[in-house]
Amino acid sequence: KQEVTQIPAALSVPEGENLVLNCSFTDSAIYNLQWFRQDPGKGLTSLLLIQSSQREQTSGRLNASLDKSSGRSTLYIAASQPGDSATYLCAALDTGRRALTFGSGTRLQVQP
Amino acid sequence: AAGVIQSPRHLIKEKRETATLKCYPIPRHDTVYWYQQGPGQDPQFLISFYEKMQSDKGSIPDRFSAQQFSDYHSELNMSSLELGDSALYFCASSSWDRPNYGYTFGSGTRLTVV
Repeated sequence: KQEVTQIPAALSVPEGENLVLNCSFTDSAIYNLQWFRQDPGKGLTSLLLIQSSQREQTSGRLNASLDKSSGRSTLYIAASQPGDSATYLCAALDTGRRALTFGSGTRLQVQP
Repeated sequence: AAGVIQSPRHLIKEKRETATLKCYPIPRHDTVYWYQQGPGQDPQFLISFYEKMQSDKGSIPDRFSAQQFSDYHSELNMSSLELGDSALYFCASSSWDRPNYGYTFGSGTRLTVV
């Protein structure tokens, strides 16, 4: 059974810092890994999707990497802004089933 | 672009009542997934449907049932509601033949059981 873990659970940084969120998964047989953003009480916004054959994806100030062999993904946020404050979730899609398995998220607070 | 539509956005029910949540997938998506997210929890997979057939089952209680219709929309029926059923319920859709394209989630239905 796939298990997804995210570290740290919470993070508070001053505005302008570069930061890295970590995600690890136990079963490397995945189609892809997706990073989501969730604001309090709101829905899930997809940020980046990395295919199993890819090493990284970039969108603006966000860069996500994937190392399938070691079961790890990172989300790099450059020049953080207060508007980046949210919970960031990673989720793995197994090849054996079509349901995403989510990590418990990293709650990010960017201080102005 | 059209997104995944969920209705209602908010729902308040009393214990032991019944609730029905609806989900309309992105056009040309044939697979629908339901997730439950309790307060402070990560989303937990409940059930999924492909071509009107259940394709996978997660931690869905026996009091809940779901189905997918010919237009691919899906309904989650919840009976004998309990206080612990209060949560955000998400629906997501995808194309079964293109799992690499990822999921798109709706904005969710917030169910409060009082």
